[in-house]
Amino acid sequence: DAKTTQPTSMDCAEGRAANLPCNHSTISGNEYVYWYRQIHSQGPQYIIHGLKNNETNEMASLIITEDRKSSTLILPHATLRDTAVYYCIVSSIQGAQKLVFGQGTRLTINP
Amino acid sequence: GAVVSQHPSWVICKSGTSVKIECRSLDFQATTMFWYRQFPKQSLMLMATSNEGSKATYEQGVEKDKFLINHASLTLSTLTVTSAHPEDSSFYICSPGGPNSPLHFGNGTRLTVT
Repeated sequence: DAKTTQPTSMDCAEGRAANLPCNHSTISGNEYVYWYRQIHSQGPQYIIHGLKNNETNEMASLIITEDRKSSTLILPHATLRDTAVYYCIVSSIQGAQKLVFGQGTRLTINP
Repeated sequence: GAVVSQHPSWVICKSGTSVKIECRSLDFQATTMFWYRQFPKQSLMLMATSNEGSKATYEQGVEKDKFLINHASLTLSTLTVTSAHPEDSSFYICSPGGPNSPLHFGNGTRLTVT
């Protein structure tokens, strides 16, 4: 599976949009981009995933560049409860394929 | 999203004893089960992958005789840490997998071996 690169940490003010970047320059054509987050002492929580089109759900939006070499997760109105480690992962199969976690981005939402 | 039940959420045991962790997928059939562990300030590391009814595949460096995995049904898998030692203290997380769905994770089990 392709490797991803994320900033180690980011800060964002409460109520503002949090934009988390991810580079995956070696992504293959059949690999999806997944985003998970992990709040302290809990299991990872699925946020969103996409192949090449931008995606939006009730939690976030995912913007994937046209060349698919990078993506951005957008939390439109960050709250204190969004403080977590955010993981960007690429994987080729939905569901039955293991996910390889990098170090992620530690996002801190400040009041 | 998928509902995953993992328990216990935390356990403290004495060195040399065994601990069993259960993971249930409550609303779908998990043909595959992934077991991860996470040490403090580190990311999740995959320990093993099991398919229902067959033996688990362990990642390099993970002792199969120490971490026993049973995946006898499509809704339940267990991880038993045998003869636990303080270095096995960690956060263990399961993730049941099925076809055509993003993976979801249990809420983890914090194991402390004294």
